[in-house]
Amino acid sequence: DAGVTQSPTHLIKTRGQQVTLRCSPKSGHDTVSWYQQALGQGPQFIFQYYEEEERQRGNFPDRFSGHQFPNYSSELNVNALLLGDSALYLCASSLVRTGSFPNYGYTFGSGTRLTVV
Amino acid sequence: GQQLNQSPQSMFIQEGEDVSMNCTSSSIFNTWLWYKQDPGEGPVLLIALYKAGELTSNGRLTAQFGITRKDSFLNISASIPSDVGIYFCAGPSGSARQLTFGSGTQLTVLP
Repeated sequence: DAGVTQSPTHLIKTRGQQVTLRCSPKSGHDTVSWYQQALGQGPQFIFQYYEEEERQRGNFPDRFSGHQFPNYSSELNVNALLLGDSALYLCASSLVRTGSFPNYGYTFGSGTRLTVV
Repeated sequence: GQQLNQSPQSMFIQEGEDVSMNCTSSSIFNTWLWYKQDPGEGPVLLIALYKAGELTSNGRLTAQFGITRKDSFLNISASIPSDVGIYFCAGPSGSARQLTFGSGTQLTVLP
């Protein structure tokens, strides 16, 4: 049973460019959340997608956008990249009816390491 | 927004020793979660706590939900080399659709 799959695993981009990261949720999961993890920090919530809509958003600028497809997979897009966007981007999937209390049931992928130069 | 403060930031211990780390918050959490992250991997849930005062074990790991709902503790007994990694506390915030994570405790186990 495949877990959460993220691609690519590593990426190097130049300031000002745009990037798209991809996530396939765990089989049976219908909700995808994206987190940014800077070096030496805990993950920070970017947004969550369910039923192809953004349901909740963290404190990130509009340069960060996303999409969820009918097969529940998701993309994270970042425009006008800044050096500070360099981080590990984690995707977490869950099943909405278990996505809150009592068991968050999140499964995290291994992440995409983005380096902006 | 809500913030979680973890301490210590890093720990170096001998194999076989017990470990204790904690997490505090400026606001109340109704659920506390403890994750472990290995190098190159995403976080993996270790223990979930749902009631103030609750003490829950998972093998050599034991975690407690503080009575004030503003803190939690994680203990690891008889540490082994595979315990190496970063341990994060986390709790739901916003509309409970998002998790707030602490900054982590880096654990190194020396042979």
